[in-house]
Amino acid sequence: SQQGEEDPQALSIQEGENATMNCSYKTSINNLQWYRQNSGRGLVHLILIRSNEREKHSGRLRVTLDTSKKSSSLLITASRAADTASYFCATVRIQGAQKLVFGQGTRLTINP
Amino acid sequence: DTAVSQTPKYLVTQMGNDKSIKCEQNLGHDTMYWYKQDSKKFLKIMFSYNNKELIINETVPNRFSPKSPDKAHLNLHINSLELGDSAVYFCASSQGVLAGAQETQYFGPGTRLLVL
Repeated sequence: SQQGEEDPQALSIQEGENATMNCSYKTSINNLQWYRQNSGRGLVHLILIRSNEREKHSGRLRVTLDTSKKSSSLLITASRAADTASYFCATVRIQGAQKLVFGQGTRLTINP
Repeated sequence: DTAVSQTPKYLVTQMGNDKSIKCEQNLGHDTMYWYKQDSKKFLKIMFSYNNKELIINETVPNRFSPKSPDKAHLNLHINSLELGDSAVYFCASSQGVLAGAQETQYFGPGTRLLVL
């Protein structure tokens, strides 16, 4: 069954605004990763946050993790047209096969 | 300089045919993966190999057979193609098996398979 679920499924904002995407998951995890997929391309790793971390930054990206709520958020500040893409969260469960389980993604559109 | 490459990029074929997709990584990684992304963008792992050994085999029809001639290559052969096999297939790699899923995965550009 699907582990991560992103919310919203689609988000459209103006350039310069901040974009926030959320991810919820069901089982205990080792880590949670965010990936970006531009249209017609492969996925690109953005950031990894481990289960014992609460917040992580990378450039204009800020990721939070709340293991008690089994949720994570990805914040993109000062959005740019080039940020238009689909964003996926992926989790690695503590037990079982060490594999990434992806959500269905949030389609982000940045309007110029 | 492409880190993870796949061929072909597009594949259009008739139902019942057999086809192969090739993947190569030049990152020196030990672990490689095949994922399937359906029309709703849902991405699901199919197989994972570490140093030419199969370590993850999800519930995939046995018409799909991965082959890893060496740790830099992971090919996917599909027999008796069906309409439902139409999807984008992504190859990926990561550093090691124990930490493999705990580390960054590097994805290829995808192979768009259309079965008519």
